[in-house]
Amino acid sequence: AQKVTQAQTEISVVEKEDVTLDCVYETRDTTYYLFWYKQPPSGELVFLIRRNSFDEQNEISGRYSWNFQKSTSSFNFTITASQVVDSAVYFCALSGPGNAGNMLTFGGGTRLMVKP
Amino acid sequence: NAGVTQTPKFRVLKTGQSMTLLCAQDMNHEYMYWYRQDPGMGLRLIHYSVGEGTTAKGEVPDGYNVSRLKKQNFLLGLESAAPSQTSVYFCASSPGLAGRYEQYFGPGTRLTVT
Repeated sequence: AQKVTQAQTEISVVEKEDVTLDCVYETRDTTYYLFWYKQPPSGELVFLIRRNSFDEQNEISGRYSWNFQKSTSSFNFTITASQVVDSAVYFCALSGPGNAGNMLTFGGGTRLMVKP
Repeated sequence: NAGVTQTPKFRVLKTGQSMTLLCAQDMNHEYMYWYRQDPGMGLRLIHYSVGEGTTAKGEVPDGYNVSRLKKQNFLLGLESAAPSQTSVYFCASSPGLAGRYEQYFGPGTRLTVT
């Protein structure tokens, strides 16, 4: 069975600090996909990134960056110079043929609070 | 282009009552999913559909039924609601297999069963 662990349930930082959200996954699939979603206080789920298991290049998008390391089964997410608008719950998710319908297996989420 | 919409947004039920949640997508997606979100547990898949007229069980299907009579609609039914079904329900759709394609989520339905 696939599993995603987000060990940090809540993180609180002051604006402009850098923050890293950890994600560790377990899967027996050789081909799989990793995702990050953001859930702001309004409740909707916002897609941030998708990564396939063959692409270990790190990715940067503005203040966001992702570090994918197959050797440690981790897909960590860093926000540089955090802002109050970054306050949200962030979910890491995994998809692969080992899941029925290639469904997404979500981690429990990390609540990020950015204080002004 | 509305994306994925869900009806209703909020609902309060008494134990034993029934209801149907409606999900509609206008992106011509083949795959549709129903998830529930409980505190600290992320989202868990209830049922999914890989095309019109097909449905399959997900991780937590007990107490729910679904139907996909039209490609654009995916209905989630609770025949006899229980307090354990108090949750936020999200519908999602994707053009193909969930891994290769992004899943697009609806705004959610907050259901309380008393």
